[in-house]
Amino acid sequence: LAKTTQPISMDSYEGQEVNITCSHNNIATNDYITWYQQFPSQGPRFIIQGYKTKVTNEVASLFIPADRKSSTLSLPRVSLSDTAVYYCLVYSSASKIIFGSGTRLSIRP
Amino acid sequence: DAGVIQSPRHEVTEMGQEVTLRCKPISGHDYLFWYRQTMMRGLELLIYFNNNVPIDDSGMPEDRFSAKMPNASFSTLKIQPSEPRDSAVYFCASSLLLNGLSDTGRGYTFGSGTRLTVV
Repeated sequence: LAKTTQPISMDSYEGQEVNITCSHNNIATNDYITWYQQFPSQGPRFIIQGYKTKVTNEVASLFIPADRKSSTLSLPRVSLSDTAVYYCLVYSSASKIIFGSGTRLSIRP
Repeated sequence: DAGVIQSPRHEVTEMGQEVTLRCKPISGHDYLFWYRQTMMRGLELLIYFNNNVPIDDSGMPEDRFSAKMPNASFSTLKIQPSEPRDSAVYFCASSLLLNGLSDTGRGYTFGSGTRLTVV
């Protein structure tokens, strides 16, 4: 499993764009990058996954540079309800999911 | 689909008692996972099943913990005897694939968890 490094916490304000960067220097060829979101008192929820370049869905965008050694989760125009813990995960189809510590995002009014 | 359903939502028990946590996965999902979450250790994978068969139980902390999946729609996690250090939130998750990766992969679907307090 590729080790990931992401900030422990981040703060932002409503209406701002938030970018959370995850470092995964030893990512393998078969590894995918996935982000989960966890609200208080709930289980983690899948947000987005990607392999390379850029992926966008209704919730977020995921930017992956050519070397794939890092990735950035981008949340457009955040609101108070985006306050949560965000987990960056890197793994292949042959491996189980192991969660790290995540990034605790706090959104202020 | 109602999603992954866990019961009970909260459980308070005395040390030494047996505790049974229950999970109903999403219909059609071949994989079922049990996780434990604490402030100190974060989210830990305890065990997972594929088609009702336990595949990897290397995360089960000790023999006091056991998990079963008698059929595709039901799983239990049992702690006997329970200890205060078992206090945590226990999550069940299910997925079509081992890690949810596919062209239309949506990752794991987690239940709302069971908050266990052992006093």
